[in-house]
Amino acid sequence: QVTLRESGPALVKPTQTLTLTCSFSGFSLATSGVSVSWIRQPPGKALEWLARIDWDGAKDYNTSLKTRLTISEGTSKYQVVLTMTNADPADTGTYYCARILAAPGYKNDAFDVWGQGTLVTVSS
Amino acid sequence: DIVMTQSPESLAVSLGERATINCKSSQSVLYSSINRNYLGWYQQKPGQPPKLIIYWASIRQSGVPDRFRGSGSGTDFTLTITSLQAEDVAVYYCQQYYSTPYSFGQGTKLEIK
Repeated sequence: QVTLRESGPALVKPTQTLTLTCSFSGFSLATSGVSVSWIRQPPGKALEWLARIDWDGAKDYNTSLKTRLTISEGTSKYQVVLTMTNADPADTGTYYCARILAAPGYKNDAFDVWGQGTLVTVSS
Repeated sequence: DIVMTQSPESLAVSLGERATINCKSSQSVLYSSINRNYLGWYQQKPGQPPKLIIYWASIRQSGVPDRFRGSGSGTDFTLTITSLQAEDVAVYYCQQYYSTPYSFGQGTKLEIK
């Protein structure tokens, strides 16, 4: 069974660095075709893709947030970490991680499994 | 970056009736060499994460009822629920995965009339 779980602080002060961890089971970042993305959703608003890391180490970022984001592998091939610097109240929302399992030779595909999300509030 | 635009923003349909949601991309998401549209549809119920219901624009995810149908190609896509059920009340999002940065539509809130 494939599952993902997000973890991190529920409350962050403005200007602080936010660090979120996605722990998953049922698949590994060592498997060809696998990538893990972070997606966020402000309260009552739409989904926004943030970043992705691929099985081969390639990384991609949201254009407007790329200077503040870093995505990396965690302590194992079953973890992905997202750091966001200089937190702002506009970063408040639920943060999800989700998997892509692409066909051989391809990298892009739909997000087939999502975590439950973790709510982050940025406030002093 | 590809911009996804959905319409309408909200929709109220009677039980058993048809619901239609539109999605338009600012550039084609059709990968011609393999004839695939890199377009997915997600259903999000309150307090839950999004759930993939349609991928490659028209393929139902395993376990999704056949009343959900995706169509379209290139830049214009449609999600149709042929006979609305109470459990279909949700917000629906389209998403392009043709290229990064991936992008979602603003969502369509579907309610019962």
